[in-house]
Amino acid sequence: SSELTQDPAVSVALGQTVRITCQGDSLRSYYASWYQQKPGQAPVLVIYGKNNRPSGIPDRFSGSSSGNTASLTITGAQAEDEADYYCNSRDSSGNHHVFGTGTKVTVL
Amino acid sequence: QLQLQESGPGLVKPSETLSLTCTVSGGSISSSSYYWGWIRQPPGKGLEWIGSIYYSGSTYYNPSLKSRVTISVDTSKNQFSLKLSSVTAADTAVYYCARVGGIAVAEDWFDPWGQGTLVTVSS
Repeated sequence: SSELTQDPAVSVALGQTVRITCQGDSLRSYYASWYQQKPGQAPVLVIYGKNNRPSGIPDRFSGSSSGNTASLTITGAQAEDEADYYCNSRDSSGNHHVFGTGTKVTVL
Repeated sequence: QLQLQESGPGLVKPSETLSLTCTVSGGSISSSSYYWGWIRQPPGKGLEWIGSIYYSGSTYYNPSLKSRVTISVDTSKNQFSLKLSSVTAADTAVYYCARVGGIAVAEDWFDPWGQGTLVTVSS
């Protein structure tokens, strides 16, 4: 079973803010990275480390962490942000990677 | 610009071994800064990390798959490969390869990803 838990689905009105969370004990020790996946496409890295965005990722995407929870926030959601989002981090042993269960984001 | 491309059979029979190769272009697989990983996604389901390898050959695997997985690297061809033995229908998935960075500073990330290849396990 996955060690990183995400809400299955969230919705957000166009232009509003949505926060996606990822919970797991290993997040007390390791940062999460976040991936956006649109239908039929490979995942794309959107946030890593404390709050780093790869080149080309809009600044409306941001990351944060507190205790056992990592969060991805989309400020001013756009229609093109509708996708599945997955977190990833190391597991409790620190020796392996694990993906979260995924969150489907719908932009209304 | 670094690119990764998966290749291999799209259909594998039950109990046989699934074999895939990831070819890296636009950069060297022998970079000391990165690992190289395999991830899979069953149809309609989430992502599952399979394992990763360093250019030196050092590997680490998902404990749930470890008994059936072998990942190897060929630096002369700038490729790394996945073998998954004794496959069943549950191994049907899109298989992705990706570069893994940030490990030295515990800020791990997977980027970029290959486009993925669908492998179906069926007789």
